[in-house]
Amino acid sequence: AQSVTQPDIHITVSEGASLELRCNYSYGATPYLFWYVQSPGQGLQLLLKYFSGDTLVQGIKGFEAEFKRSQSSFNLRKPSVHWSDAAEYFCAVGPLSTTSGTYKYIFGTGTRLKVLA
Amino acid sequence: DVKVTQSSRYLVKRTGEKVFLECVQDMDHENMFWYRQDPGLGLRLIYFSYDVKMKEKGDIPEGYSVSREKKERFSLILESASTNQTSMYLCASSLVREGRETQYFGPGTRLLVL
Repeated sequence: AQSVTQPDIHITVSEGASLELRCNYSYGATPYLFWYVQSPGQGLQLLLKYFSGDTLVQGIKGFEAEFKRSQSSFNLRKPSVHWSDAAEYFCAVGPLSTTSGTYKYIFGTGTRLKVLA
Repeated sequence: DVKVTQSSRYLVKRTGEKVFLECVQDMDHENMFWYRQDPGLGLRLIYFSYDVKMKEKGDIPEGYSVSREKKERFSLILESASTNQTSMYLCASSLVREGRETQYFGPGTRLLVL
């Protein structure tokens, strides 16, 4: 069955340190992959997406992610974290076919990032 | 810029009340979605709509219904609110280009059912 796993519920890093958030998926073919960020009390903002092609994807706010087919992973990275990056991060995978012939996506349970000054 | 708006940021309702959550998008997107978000459970799909008057159940449709009378508007209805429906509700619409779909989210409605 298709699934997406974010193994880390919480991560704490110091400001200026590098960051890697993990995302593992189970999917029968090459998936479409997404990372979203949610600041407290807000909706989800798209950080980056992968459909095909170059496996290293650049996003907004200095984030990047790498699609690794052999490891079924799509980890999010940032070389130097800022205090404003403190938020919750969600990985999503799809498309999953539905009975109507359309598609849906499934989301991980999220990783909450805390940044120490 | 894609803009998805939700009618309320916070709502407090009583058990048994009928609750309407409204979502509007201004980008002529075909698909719209309702999710609920709970700590430790991530986002779970309640219902989605792929065209006007068309809808499909998601993973947790029980206790909810939806309405899509116009392309830009997608409503989530709690016929008789219960305390276990206290949650954050997120609406999304999606842009599909060459078979590739990207979802864009509204700011969310935090619902408290007393």
